[in-house]
Order: sequence, then structure tokens, then C-alpha cells
Amino acid sequence: DTGVSQDPRHKITKRGQNVTFRCDPISEHNRLYWYRQTLGQGPEFLTYFQNEAQLEKSRLLSDRFSAERPKGSFSTLEIQRTEQGDSAMYLCASSRGPVNEQFFGPGTRLTVL
Amino acid sequence: AQKITQTQPGMFVQEKEAVTLDCTYDTSDQSYGLFWYKQPSSGEMIFLIYQGSYDEQNATEGRYSLNFQKARKSANLVISASQLGDSAMYFCAMRGDSNYQLIWGAGTKLIIKP
Repeated sequence: DTGVSQDPRHKITKRGQNVTFRCDPISEHNRLYWYRQTLGQGPEFLTYFQNEAQLEKSRLLSDRFSAERPKGSFSTLEIQRTEQGDSAMYLCASSRGPVNEQFFGPGTRLTVL
Repeated sequence: AQKITQTQPGMFVQEKEAVTLDCTYDTSDQSYGLFWYKQPSSGEMIFLIYQGSYDEQNATEGRYSLNFQKARKSANLVISASQLGDSAMYFCAMRGDSNYQLIWGAGTKLIIKP
């Protein structure tokens, strides 16, 4: 059990650029979640997957955001045409099942200049 | 709608004292789960303890215990014998029966004084 990993840990980009983040969950976990956390706030849910199926998306996930989990293992979160308001910590979590505790990765901190 | 309220933005506690972090919740679901997470300055969210809505006993994990009062819709975290390493942000979160995302409170910043 190596834990949830995320890459990159930090990303600085210019407004209007596209960015992609990767999350590798704990290997036997079939549920994967993405959250966004801004400074001084609790995380906000973005989306989650059961295996490769994306089951729920928050209204926070505008058309510029897309997430995939193509083979039910790792997941990617892409933000197109980044805006300064996208600056935040993006957290990935995984769980064994829907009611089990979620284990989080270290996060990707995005700064949009 | 589901909601988590943490009314203590920050707390200072003397080392070795016990500390209680407050959490109240609102949900219309019959079955739900309550979680506490710790987030040190490094940023990683660390799972501490879980309480199911149908669990009759309060959950305990080492120095952490959850004081679950269902009628009052409260799920306070108690840390016994606090240590300097307990200094961090603490978040209360809830998972409802109707969806499986976690709904989070705003957090409490706990600082342990030597």
C-alpha cells in the first residue's frame, strides 16, 4: 500500500494555458475523487469515478474542466484556458468502496499568473 | 441540503491538555457517515476517525475519540493528551446516503503551545 500519489506537486502557469494533473490511487481502491481547496477553506467536491465511470460532477466543474480515468486506475484532471480563479490546491482521494474512508494524496498546488 | 459547521476558526491549547473540536451537521439522510481529517502545514489530508450514523458506540482511535450526539447533530473530536505535532487544521466532513462525496466544514486551526 503505497498511498495516493499526485503529479505534479506544484504547477505555475499563465492565464489561458492548459494544465493537466495526474492522480494514482491506492491500487485496490475502485473509487477516485477530485476536490479543490482554496486557502483557508475546506475542500470542495469536483467529481468522482467508480472504476472508469465518472458518476458525479459538481456544478463547480465548468466546461473548461475535464476528468478521465481511462482504465479504472490512474486519473487525469485537465483545466483548459486557465483563469486566475482556478488557483487552488487540487486534491485527489481514493476509497475501497462508497462508504469507506477516503485517503488523500499530497495535492497539486496550481498558481495561475 | 447537507451542511457541516465548525464554529471555532482557531484554538490554542497547552501541550498535554485534552482538546475538543466542535462539529455540527445537517442532513435529511437516515444513513450517513462523519469523518475527521487533519491537515498539517504540508497540505496532505490525513484521515483520523470515522463514525457511522447507526453506530451506537462512539468511535475511538488511539488518542482520538468522536463524541457523537445524534439528537443534537453534533460530532465533536476529542484529542487526549495533546502533543506539539497535533498543531494543524482539522476538518469535519460528512458523507450522505444520497451521494458519496464528502461535504466539508471550514476547519479549525489548532495550535498546541509548549
